[in-house]
This record gives sequence, C-alpha cells and structure tokens, in this order.
Amino acid sequence: KQEVTQIPAALSVPEGENLVLNCSFTDSAIYNLQWFRQDPGKGLTSLLLIQSSQREQTSGRLNASLDKSSGRSTLYIAASQPGDSATYLCAVSGSNSGYALNFGKGTSLLVTP
Amino acid sequence: NAGVTQTPKFRILKIGQSMTLQCTQDMNHNYMYWYRQDPGMGLKLIYYSVGAGITDKGEVPNGYNVSRSTTEDFPLRLELAAPSQTSVYFCASSYSRDAGLFFGSGTQLSVL
Repeated sequence: KQEVTQIPAALSVPEGENLVLNCSFTDSAIYNLQWFRQDPGKGLTSLLLIQSSQREQTSGRLNASLDKSSGRSTLYIAASQPGDSATYLCAVSGSNSGYALNFGKGTSLLVTP
Repeated sequence: NAGVTQTPKFRILKIGQSMTLQCTQDMNHNYMYWYRQDPGMGLKLIYYSVGAGITDKGEVPNGYNVSRSTTEDFPLRLELAAPSQTSVYFCASSYSRDAGLFFGSGTQLSVL
C-alpha cells in the first residue's frame, strides 16, 4: 500500500526566506505527483502536477521536483510571503492504488512578516 | 468559471438521519471523486466515477452511496448517519485519470 509522508509537519519562517517542503512515497510505480495548497476552511488548490516521466515543474515562485527512483519530491518556495501561509499537501497517483490519490498529511507553513 | 461546486457548506445531523451532499462541475470532466478529510489525517477516497452511469468504491465506502446520472453531477448520499461520519467532505473532478484534480470548497458535516 502506498504510504506518503511529508516532512516537516509544521514550519515557521520569516518573510523573504526560501524554503523546501519534502514529500516521500513508498511505491515508485506512480502516474504522477501533485502538490496542493489548502487554506483554513477551504478546499484544495492545485499548485503543480508532475507526470512520472518529468523531473520538475515550475510556476512562478514555486518549483517542484520528482525523483521516482528514490521516492521523493520537493516543493521549493522562493522569497516566501505571508500570503504563502497555508497547509501544503502532496498526493501521488499510482498503478497500485486504483483510482485513489494517496495524500500525505501535509505541512503547515507560517510565514511571518 | 464555477469549477466544482459543493452544497451545503455546513450541516449538522442527528444520529440515524440521512442526507445528500451535492456536487456539480462545469468543466465537462468525466472523472469525479468524493474524499473525506479527518483532522490530522490525509484525505481518503470514498467513491469515484469515470463517467455517467459508472461508479465504484474507493478506500472507505461503508455508510455511503453515490449515483452519476449526468456528467455534471455526482451526489453523495449518507444513510443512517453515525458519529464516525463527522468529517469534511470534498468533491473533485479531473479530465482524465492522469490529469490534475480540481476540488470543491468542501462540506463540513457533524453527526451528533
């Protein structure tokens, strides 16, 4: 069964810092990996989708990498802002998981002014 | 674009009551999903559908039912509500199995 782990569970940084969120998964037979942002009391917003054949994706200040062989992905946030404060979730879609996306428990990020 | 719309946003049920959570999407996506999110836990798949008239169970289907009569709508039915069904419910859709998911804003349900 696919297990997805996100480290750290919580992170607090001052505004302007660059930061890295980590995601690891146990089964490398994945179709894709997706990073989401969740604000309190809100739904999930897709940030980046990396197909299994890709190594990274970039959107603005965000860069996500994927290393399937080691079962790892990182989400890099450049020049963090208070508006980046949210919970970030990693999810993988795989051939051994049926139609279920396997989600990590998330990293709660606080960016202080 | 409305995207994925869920109603209601909040609901309190008594044990044994029934209700339907509504979900509709306007992106003409074939794939639709229902997830539940419990505090401190990852999201778990309840049911999914790959097109109108086709539904199947996810990881945690017990106590729920779904139907998919149109491409747009994918309602989730709770029969005989139990306290264990207290959770936040998210509906999602995607163009294909390998495409990114679009989520609704969620329904917070409490069963007392």
